[in-house]
Amino acid sequence: GNSVTQMEGPVTLSEEAFLTINCTYTATGYPSLFWYVQYPGEGLQLLLKATKADDKGSNKGFEATYRKETTSFHLEKGSVQVSDSAVYFCALSDLWDAGGTSYGKLTFGQGTILTVHP
Amino acid sequence: GAVVSQHPSRVICKSGTSVKIECRSLDFQATTMFWYRQFPKQSLMLMATSNEGSKATYEQGVEKDKFLINHASLTLSTLTVTSAHPEDSSFYICSATRGGDTDTQYFGPGTRLTVL
Repeated sequence: GNSVTQMEGPVTLSEEAFLTINCTYTATGYPSLFWYVQYPGEGLQLLLKATKADDKGSNKGFEATYRKETTSFHLEKGSVQVSDSAVYFCALSDLWDAGGTSYGKLTFGQGTILTVHP
Repeated sequence: GAVVSQHPSRVICKSGTSVKIECRSLDFQATTMFWYRQFPKQSLMLMATSNEGSKATYEQGVEKDKFLINHASLTLSTLTVTSAHPEDSSFYICSATRGGDTDTQYFGPGTRLTVL
């Protein structure tokens, strides 16, 4: 079955530090990969996504590259801000199975808590 | 665009009662809606997938008679927790996809259920 493994947190950084949150996956099909962010007291928001190998998703200074050879989708940001403090979830959507049936179901990693201090 | 709302945001109920949670797509028609459960400091667990006008598909281990899902229109899905017990206390989150972008889910803010 599908699974997503994220770097365990919590992660605590100072403002302007470099951020990496590791994410690896296993999937039986051809997944799309996502990073979602959950700010305190809010619902999940899509941060970025990549739909095929070597695609790079980017948004708000965050980037992640779909690496099929290493089955990874690590999240990076060059200079974090206090406002980036949140829980980050890596996820995959195995949209199509081998029989051509659309699922669209998301499989989530366990989430990584990021705290950025001034 | 792509805003999903949930109501209520918090609910407290007595053991044995039923609770209904609504999920609405405010500015788009949702081809599919999903219901998740999130335990404290844990990831989201998919409970069921629902398409408008058809029966929901439940994940393994989820009791469909306990968690009733109705997807009556393209903008509304409801989750009813029947005969709730304290172990049903959790954070319930819905999401929706829209036509033409079915691999991206838009999430509601969640509903905190506490069963006393």
